[in-house]
Amino acid sequence: DAGITQSPRYKITETGRQVTLMCHQTWSHSYMFWYRQDLGHGLRLIYYSAAADITDKGEVPDGYVVSRSKTENFPLTLESATRSQTSVYFCASSEGIRGFFGPGTRLTVL
Amino acid sequence: SQQGEEDPQALSIQEGENATMNCSYKTSINNLQWYRQNSGRGLVHLILIRSNEREKHSGRLRVTLDTSKKSSSLLITASRAADTASYFCATANFGNEKLTFGTGTRLTIIP
Repeated sequence: DAGITQSPRYKITETGRQVTLMCHQTWSHSYMFWYRQDLGHGLRLIYYSAAADITDKGEVPDGYVVSRSKTENFPLTLESATRSQTSVYFCASSEGIRGFFGPGTRLTVL
Repeated sequence: SQQGEEDPQALSIQEGENATMNCSYKTSINNLQWYRQNSGRGLVHLILIRSNEREKHSGRLRVTLDTSKKSSSLLITASRAADTASYFCATANFGNEKLTFGTGTRLTIIP
């Protein structure tokens, strides 16, 4: 099926561990985004990418790393997870302004 | 910081009534979009209004934009139980497709 997928959908990890959240889109959209959603904050942009090998920081990039070697994939890595990174993470893609969102990954850092 | 702020934070109405949500933003924009999020799901695009437009309709949705006040409103007419969700406004600036979201309005439709 065409669309945008995220994996895993749920993840529990411990403080200090490295975690990678995967995002894959089938449309070949140029832009891809990572957001985190926390109660009271809405969605906050972590990183975004305008094309393969082009990434840029969003509003809350600290503690996260991204890469985009292929247009369709945009993984997000938490290098050393902290409890404050417990959140729901959404990946999105865009081609022509409108955003398409994945189903989200619920990450719990113990 | 958030670009958009929705008002109210939560809204409960009877089925069949109209629901109005407001969004204020801080900087000049290229367009403003509204998204819906059902519980536990990702966001779904509802409607987009460009900075040179004042009003737009899509089915039971009506969006207005007042760039002088940096505000927008989303009206859902003849609400249904299935409209129960959180609604977010998002703004895009000129020159890039980065979307900045507000904090959302949680809408509950009472059957």
